[in-house]
Amino acid sequence: TQLLEQSPQFLSIQEGENLTVYCNSSSVFSSLQWYRQEPGEGPVLLVTVVTGGEVKKLKRLTFQFGDARKDSSLHITAAQPGDTGLYLCAGADAGNQFYFGTGTSLTVIP
Amino acid sequence: DTEVTQTPKHLVMGMTNKKSLKCEQHMGHRAMYWYKQKAKKPPELMFVYSYEKLSINESVPSRFSPECPNSSLLNLHLHALQPEDSALYLCASSQAGLYRANEKLFFGSGTQLSVL
Repeated sequence: TQLLEQSPQFLSIQEGENLTVYCNSSSVFSSLQWYRQEPGEGPVLLVTVVTGGEVKKLKRLTFQFGDARKDSSLHITAAQPGDTGLYLCAGADAGNQFYFGTGTSLTVIP
Repeated sequence: DTEVTQTPKHLVMGMTNKKSLKCEQHMGHRAMYWYKQKAKKPPELMFVYSYEKLSINESVPSRFSPECPNSSLLNLHLHALQPEDSALYLCASSQAGLYRANEKLFFGSGTQLSVL
C-alpha cells in the first residue's frame, strides 16, 4: 500500500497552460516536501510545507498543505518546457518514517 | 560544496561481473542513503547509513552490498546481478544522523545501470 498517492500519474500539456498535481494520503504528516527530478538527474527539493493550510510560492509554482495535513497540491502557472520532469511529494509520518509519493511525470510541449 | 557526487554516471555489466558504485559528499552530513529508481517511478529506499553504521536495510538481496568507508564516502558493491536490477541508482545524504521531518535530502545525479 502506497502511503502517498499522486495524481495524475502522467501529464502532457502545451506551453503556457496551467496544471495542478495532487498528493493525497489517509495519514497525517508532520510536513510534506516536493521534489522535482529532471531527466538524467537526481531529485531536487523545491519546498517544504509544515503548517496545515500553509501556502508557499516559488515563482510560477504554488504549493499548498491541506488543513488536516493529509494532502498537498502543486499548481504551476503558465508551464514552460523547463518544467518538464518527475514531480515527487514526500514526507515523514508520526513515526518519522519517510516516504516518497507515487510520482507525476510532467511533459510540457513547446 | 553542496554536491553529492556519484560515479560512474553509466554502467553496463554482465550477470557474472563484479562492479562498484561510488558516492561522495563533503557537506559533513551524517546520514547517507542508497535508492533504486525505475523510469518515471519514485525512488525506492535500499540502505541507510547513519554515522557510518548501517541502520536500515530494506530487505535488499545480498547481491547488493553497501559499504561506508568514512563519513564522506558510500559504496555499493554489485555482484551477480539480474537484468531486472537495471535501474538508476541514487545516492543521497542528509545533515541529521537519520532522516527527520523537514530534513532536506541532497541527491546525486545517479548511476544508470544496465545489466545484460
